[in-house]
Amino acid sequence: NFMLTQPHSVSESPGKTVTISCTRSSGSIASNYVQWYQQRPGSSPTTVIYEDNQRPSGVPDRFSGSIDSSSNSASLTISGLKTEDEADYYCQSYDSSNQVFGGGTKLTVL
Amino acid sequence: EVQLVESGGGLVQPGGSLRLSCAASGFTFSSYEMNWVRQAPGKGLEWVSYISSSGSTIYYADSVKGRFTISRDNAKNSLYLQMNSLRAEDTAVYYCATDLPVRGVIWGQGTLVTVSS
Repeated sequence: NFMLTQPHSVSESPGKTVTISCTRSSGSIASNYVQWYQQRPGSSPTTVIYEDNQRPSGVPDRFSGSIDSSSNSASLTISGLKTEDEADYYCQSYDSSNQVFGGGTKLTVL
Repeated sequence: EVQLVESGGGLVQPGGSLRLSCAASGFTFSSYEMNWVRQAPGKGLEWVSYISSSGSTIYYADSVKGRFTISRDNAKNSLYLQMNSLRAEDTAVYYCATDLPVRGVIWGQGTLVTVSS
């Protein structure tokens, strides 16, 4: 089984841009899609990015996803930060018989 | 409206059993794979189990293999998780989730399972 490693926390000011990384420990990051979930306190997760870089309807285009094979990592970028973006963010991917979540990144917008 | 509603959580003693249910609506349940994912208090998300649309393919996380059983009833638009030999470390909010085209993964509101004497 592989692991997905995220920074424990990031912080940035409103209006700025932040990028959260998600590094796959073994196997190619490009071999299976990566999803990103937002979870606000007391709420269920919601999908902000699916299939590496696709946004569900209703998710603002301030959210974008990408993968980088050279670093074997995926990234979630949030531009024009708003206080409402403050939440935990989780990356997720899979292999043939397992699904794996990253440990989560707490985003503080201050 | 697409909706997943979990039920069946509660307080159970170590070694006990519990059966969770997930009622699906707003989409063709029988066409989609389903997953259970849990989140211990103050912790991150942990995948628990997967079942294919027909129920013919099932996977479990190592942490629950041999103790939990996933199943589904496509006629009732329902997903289940039978949990036996429960341990304190199984204490968590349990979510059912499915991956729908264009929407990405849809999650239920979760049901809390507490394993304690």
